Amino acid sequence: EVQLVESGGALVQPGGSQRLACAGSGFSFSGYSLNWVRQAPGKGLEWIAYISISGDSIYYADSVKGRFTISRDNAKNSLFLQMNNLRDDDTAIYYCARGSLELDSWGQGTLVTVSS
Amino acid sequence: SYVLTQPPSVSVAPGKTATITCGGNNIGSKSVHWYQQKPGQAPVLVISYNGDRPSGIPERFSGSNSGNTATLTLNRVEAGDEADYYCQVWDNSGDHPGVIFGGGTKLTVL
Repeated sequence: EVQLVESGGALVQPGGSQRLACAGSGFSFSGYSLNWVRQAPGKGLEWIAYISISGDSIYYADSVKGRFTISRDNAKNSLFLQMNNLRDDDTAIYYCARGSLELDSWGQGTLVTVSS
Repeated sequence: SYVLTQPPSVSVAPGKTATITCGGNNIGSKSVHWYQQKPGQAPVLVISYNGDRPSGIPERFSGSNSGNTATLTLNRVEAGDEADYYCQVWDNSGDHPGVIFGGGTKLTVL
C-alpha cells in the first residue's frame, strides 16, 4: 500500500522557520516526482513546490519562491520542505503528493499555524 | 499564469447526474485531472488524463475535455459523493512550470 506521512507541523511565530518532512513507503520512492500542496483553513488547494525524481528539476509557486526550499533524500525515502520567513498567510495544512502531471497519492497532511 | 475556473457550488438530487465544469483557455489541449476531497480528509484522485478512472473509483465517475471546458460527470449521485471537487492541470507555459488547481466546487446532494 502506498503511504505518504507528513510530519513537522507546528505553531510558528511570524518570521520564523519550520521544516516539514514526508516519509514514503509501499512504492519505489526514487521513481516518482513529488510535490507539496497546501490548503489554508476553509480555502482551496494551492500547489507550492515540485521536485523531480533526481531533484534536478525544482519549481515553486510565486507565493513561496525565495522563502521555501523543497528537497528529497531518496536513500531515506523522504521529502522535505524548509520554510523560512513564515507569514500569517502561510497558515495551512501541508500535504505531500506523489506524481508529476497527476497527483495520484496524497498524505494526510500536517498543520502549520503562523501566529504570534 | 494559467487560470482554471470552476463554479463554487453544484447541487443535485440523489440518483440524478451532477456535472462540474472547469474552464480554461484551450484547456482541451491539456490533460485534466480531478480530485475529490471530503471534509477533514486528503484529496483523492478520481479522474486522470481527462477521462481515466484510477483503480477503485466507481464507473459512475467520468470526465471529458474539449475546447475551453473540461467536465466531471457523476451519474446516479449518492449521498457519499458530497464533497469538494478540484480540477488540475500541469502548466508548462511561461517561466514558471507547475501544477494549477481550479478553485474547487462544492457538490451538495439534496
